[in-house]
Amino acid sequence: AQRVTQPEKLLSVFKGAPVELKCNYSYSGSPELFWYVQYSRQRLQLLLRHISRESIKGFTADLNKGETSFHLKKPFAQEEDSAMYYCALAPSGGYQKVTFGIGTKLQVIP
Amino acid sequence: GAGVSQSPSNKVTEKGKDVELRCDPISGHTALYWYRQRLGQGLEFLIYFQGNSAPDKSGLPSDRFSAERTGESVSTLTIQRTQQEDSAVYLCASSLSVGNNEQFFGPGTRLTVL
Repeated sequence: AQRVTQPEKLLSVFKGAPVELKCNYSYSGSPELFWYVQYSRQRLQLLLRHISRESIKGFTADLNKGETSFHLKKPFAQEEDSAMYYCALAPSGGYQKVTFGIGTKLQVIP
Repeated sequence: GAGVSQSPSNKVTEKGKDVELRCDPISGHTALYWYRQRLGQGLEFLIYFQGNSAPDKSGLPSDRFSAERTGESVSTLTIQRTQQEDSAVYLCASSLSVGNNEQFFGPGTRLTVL
């Protein structure tokens, strides 16, 4: 069974400080990992996925298979980054559901 | 094109009444998911459909909850004999198919049980 753990329900940082949202997973195969974001009064939407290896809005995430982690990072937090962030795992092979973590609320203090 | 839509956007009901929530996925998306988001909480998986079949209903909280999907499009989530703890935002998402495809979320239905 797959599991996604986001250990922090709330993360508060000052504007300009580095951000790291933690995500650990449990899965025996080769998963695909995602980060979804929900800004206030907006729909939940995909932020980035590990296979694309791109930076979105200054955020990056590297899949570390040894540590089974997929932490989301940004060197300098902006106020507009304040949102709810969800880590999600999709099993390899298809036709199995995506599992979401419980989410971390990021609060960027001006 | 149109995204995922859900109706109603808000529903207030009395304890003990039945409610039906509707989701219209993106055209051509064969996978459809239902989630629940309680106030201040994260995303709770309820059920997903691949086509018209529901391979995983493990997230449904009780037998008061049921869902169906017809014609690989619209899905309805029904909650019978609603309880106050059912109050939450119910989110629907669709994707091209189950698996590693991006999920597109609807705006949600806010259910309040008095």
